[in-house]
Amino acid sequence: DTAVSQTPKYLVTQMGNDKSIKCEQNLGHDTMYWYKQDSKKFLKIMFSYNNKELIINETVPNRFSPKSPDKAHLNLHINSLELGDSAVYFCASSQGASGGYTFGSGTRLTVV
Amino acid sequence: AQSVTQPDIHITVSEGASLELRCNYSYGATPYLFWYVQSPGQGLQLLLKYFSGDTLVQGIKGFEAEFKRSQSSFNLRKPSVHWSDAAEYFCAVGGRRSSASKIIFGSGTRLSIRP
Repeated sequence: DTAVSQTPKYLVTQMGNDKSIKCEQNLGHDTMYWYKQDSKKFLKIMFSYNNKELIINETVPNRFSPKSPDKAHLNLHINSLELGDSAVYFCASSQGASGGYTFGSGTRLTVV
Repeated sequence: AQSVTQPDIHITVSEGASLELRCNYSYGATPYLFWYVQSPGQGLQLLLKYFSGDTLVQGIKGFEAEFKRSQSSFNLRKPSVHWSDAAEYFCAVGGRRSSASKIIFGSGTRLSIRP
């Protein structure tokens, strides 16, 4: 059983389209995150949800909208995709602050 | 503001040689500290973490790290590297508040292994 699973693994789409990435964790963790990893491997937090409540919302364009239907799921919807959105998006989960994160395997988004 | 610095962008070591990857952090109090490894095309895997107590922390795959408060460092070490250790390594720092906690990552160090 995959602890944190993301779908799809690869996503190629045209500029201007709307796309979603789904994430599910079966670890019983109370907090989930979205990170963006750029082409230089730099990881930057985007959002965090704790028990379905948004607790971290970094400086991210409002074209990005996270949704957490329950504490095991955190989806990321992106409107009007731009070339600069091309990156690898990682979902992660944790139980409190001390456990460290468990990461999904990432979704490589390519906007053409 | 919390931050993490990994001064080495790329390190190459010979197989069987020892390894030390450097990490310095900036944080107002004692943070949680982590090392993660990312193999090509993969997600990040937690190698080890420091919360409190013994400043020498043992992790998976034979890695260890030492927390030095006076130097604000958390360097990762391995006595003898294997070709399979070639990967990107990230040091990270996190706050101790359970809510609104987030982990800040360093820029990573790419490790290559010379046969």
